[in-house]
Amino acid sequence: NAGVTQTPKFQVLKTGQSMTLQCAQDMNHNSMYWYRQDPGMGLRLIYYSASEGTTDKGEVPNGYNVSRLNKREFSLRLESAAPSQTSVYFCASSPGGDRLPRRYGYTFGSGTRLTVV
Amino acid sequence: SQQGEEDPQALSIQEGENATMNCSYKTSINNLQWYRQNSGRGLVHLILIRSNEREKHSGRLRVTLDTSKKSSSLLITASRAADTASYFCATQGGSEKLVFGKGTKLTVNP
Repeated sequence: NAGVTQTPKFQVLKTGQSMTLQCAQDMNHNSMYWYRQDPGMGLRLIYYSASEGTTDKGEVPNGYNVSRLNKREFSLRLESAAPSQTSVYFCASSPGGDRLPRRYGYTFGSGTRLTVV
Repeated sequence: SQQGEEDPQALSIQEGENATMNCSYKTSINNLQWYRQNSGRGLVHLILIRSNEREKHSGRLRVTLDTSKKSSSLLITASRAADTASYFCATQGGSEKLVFGKGTKLTVNP
């Protein structure tokens, strides 16, 4: 199993350019997430999708949009990139659903390192 | 805002020693999880402890949870150079969202 696949792995953008980060999982997970990781800040949640057809804002959604294309794929779009969006972006998935107690952790992709100049 | 706060921010030990990292959090939780991140890589899930559990083991890992103090600890016994990584705690409440701390950077010297 590939797990969670993110593309591209590296990207350099000019300020104002747009791009879409792709994420796909092959574990039949319901929930998917986008995080950004900045030095000294840990991981911060940008958007998440608890199930196919739903998306919700996380802690730092400004400047981003998401699309849950189907159960497998969850994309993150930067409409007009800014230097403050220079970061490493991680996609993750989890089984999700409403079952409690939660038993499983997240599976993360290997990340996209984005630089906005 | 971060829910979990790890302590210490950085830890350097010799191979064979034990490493202890602590995590404190602010609100009630359903579970607490620990993740490892090797340099330049994604996070890997290590262990999940539910709010009604006090201790859990997985190989050389031992996690404790004290909900009255809103704190957890991760103990890695007999550490190896390959354990060098950043370790993050993350809390999960009633929703699927995980909220991460800022991490502890562990260096294990051969």
